[in-house]
Amino acid sequence: EDQVTQSPEALRLQEGESSSLNCSYTVSGLRGLFWYRQDPGKGPEFLFTLYSAGEEKEKERLKATLTKKESFLHITAPKPEDSATYLCAVQVDAGNMLTFGGGTRLMVKP
Amino acid sequence: DSGVTQTPKHLITATGQRVTLRCSPRSGDLSVYWYQQSLDQGLQFLIQYYNGEERAKGNILERFSAQQFPDLHSELNLSSLELGDSALYFCASSAGTSGGLQETQYFGPGTRLLVL
Repeated sequence: EDQVTQSPEALRLQEGESSSLNCSYTVSGLRGLFWYRQDPGKGPEFLFTLYSAGEEKEKERLKATLTKKESFLHITAPKPEDSATYLCAVQVDAGNMLTFGGGTRLMVKP
Repeated sequence: DSGVTQTPKHLITATGQRVTLRCSPRSGDLSVYWYQQSLDQGLQFLIQYYNGEERAKGNILERFSAQQFPDLHSELNLSSLELGDSALYFCASSAGTSGGLQETQYFGPGTRLLVL
């Protein structure tokens, strides 16, 4: 069974304090790994897609990386507006659906 | 704004009732996906439609059904509702040019269902 585990479940940072969120996965055949941001009561907002080990993508203060077993979302000098739940999801050979991890709730204090 | 719209935003109903949730995909997208998000189970895939036909099924209950219409909008029907069906229901869409594989799914704002 495909499994996606995110850690930590919650993370408190001071503004400007860089950190990383982890997404580890056990799947039969990875076709894509997706990162989303979700604000309370809203729909997930797409951030990045990674397709193969070694791939990296950046957007503003966020950088996503992928290895054969896990992905990291690095947040550099975060701001309070970066506070949200960050979700990772995998798409595997067996189908088109996304299998999500439990998310990391990030809180950035000013 | 992802371009995916969902109605209604909120729905309050009683156990045993039936409701219909509606989703309009982004312009040009052929694939529609339904997901359920609850506090204890996280985001779970329910079902996918591609250009009007069912493409993939997740752990969708038999009491739940969906369809995609010729104009590509989709409806999720939930019947014989139970307290445990209270959740956020999201619709997502993707271009569908490859049937969904490796395509980014864009999510709508969701419908919050409360079953009393």
